[in-house]
Order: sequence, then structure tokens, then C-alpha cells
Amino acid sequence: DAGVTQSPTHLIKTRGQQVTLRCSPISGHKSVSWYQQVLGQGPQFIFQYYEKEERGRGNFPDRFSARQFPNYSSELNVNALLLGDSALYLCASTDLSSGNTIYFGEGSWLTVV
Amino acid sequence: EDQVTQSPEALRLQEGESSSLNCSYTVSGLRGLFWYRQDPGKGPEFLFTLYSAGEEKEKERLKATLTKKESFLHITAPKPEDSATYLCAVQFSGGGADGLTFGKGTHLIIQP
Repeated sequence: DAGVTQSPTHLIKTRGQQVTLRCSPISGHKSVSWYQQVLGQGPQFIFQYYEKEERGRGNFPDRFSARQFPNYSSELNVNALLLGDSALYLCASTDLSSGNTIYFGEGSWLTVV
Repeated sequence: EDQVTQSPEALRLQEGESSSLNCSYTVSGLRGLFWYRQDPGKGPEFLFTLYSAGEEKEKERLKATLTKKESFLHITAPKPEDSATYLCAVQFSGGGADGLTFGKGTHLIIQP
């Protein structure tokens, strides 16, 4: 079975631009979460969506937004990019109905120049 | 404030030299403690979830244990392929979210 898939794998943006990152969860998983990992740090929770509704939000500015689609895939949008937004963006999926294991994708590397 | 602290930050071992990684936490109501392995440039790979003090789980050369204040990841007779960053994360009872709070990780190097 396919794991959590993310696209694109790498991208470079300019300060002030906007970016959209995409995630497909493991088949049957209805919960998707997004994390930001800067170099040398552990991942930091941004959002969780479950059944297309926002279930939780971390301490990130309103420039960060997300949504979940009827097929449970998800997009993370970041507006007005700053240099400090350069990081690995990780998507994770969970089957809340059968346990609590959280599986991560390989991430999208965002570089803001 | 909920916090997760991992130690040491980095650890270099000889092949076959057993050791332990520590994860201490301060959370108001623990729902679960997670261990992940992360290779350079990759996403975290799930290893274990522990839910209550006294619980232990094993996988190959790895064994995770949990107390009320900390967790240990014991590595027995490690091999070079065990080299990676090991991340600890906690999930706490509060609100409706299932987000994880991560430590900074322990960078483990196993020398042949």
C-alpha cells in the first residue's frame, strides 16, 4: 500500500510569494496533519484536519492556511513568504477509528530566497 | 507549557556498543509518547507508541520504555545502519487536536 505522498518534493520561492503544498494520506485515513521542520529542530505542529474540518491549529500566523478535500487529500497554503519559512513541510495521516499511529510522508522542501 | 527534552543531542557509538537515549516530558495529561527515526532529508519513520507508565515495546535492536516523567530508547548491539536522528514526541490530553509536540532529537552515529 502507498504511504503518505507529498508534492512537490522541492521548490524555491521568492520572498512575498505564495506556495501551495499537497498531500495524499494513506488509503482509508481520514485525518491529515501538517508540520514544519526547520534544520536541526523537531517538527512543529501547524494544522490537523479530520473529515474536512479543522480539528486543531498550532502557533502559526494567519499566513498559513489549509484545507481538506472530500477524498481526504489536503493542501497547505502559505502566503507572503518570509525567509524564515524555509523548512521541510511534513504531512502526516492517521486512522483515528483504529488507533493512534501517525505516519509521515517524505516532506516538501521549501526554500525562500 | 508542555515540553519535550531529548538527551544527549548527539551520540557516537562503536558498532555493538549498547546505549540509551532519553526523552523527558512535562505535559498536563499524556495521551501517548511516540518514537520516530529520521534519516537525512527524509520524513520521520514510525517506531513505537507508548501509552502508560511501565509499558515497553521492542523492535529488532530497539526497546522503548515509559515512566511518568520520561521515556528511554535502548539500542542493543547497534549496527551502522542504525545511524539516524531519533525523535521523541508526545500527544497530550487537551482540546480536540491530536498534534504531536516533538523534542529536538538525538543524532546517533554508529561507527563500524
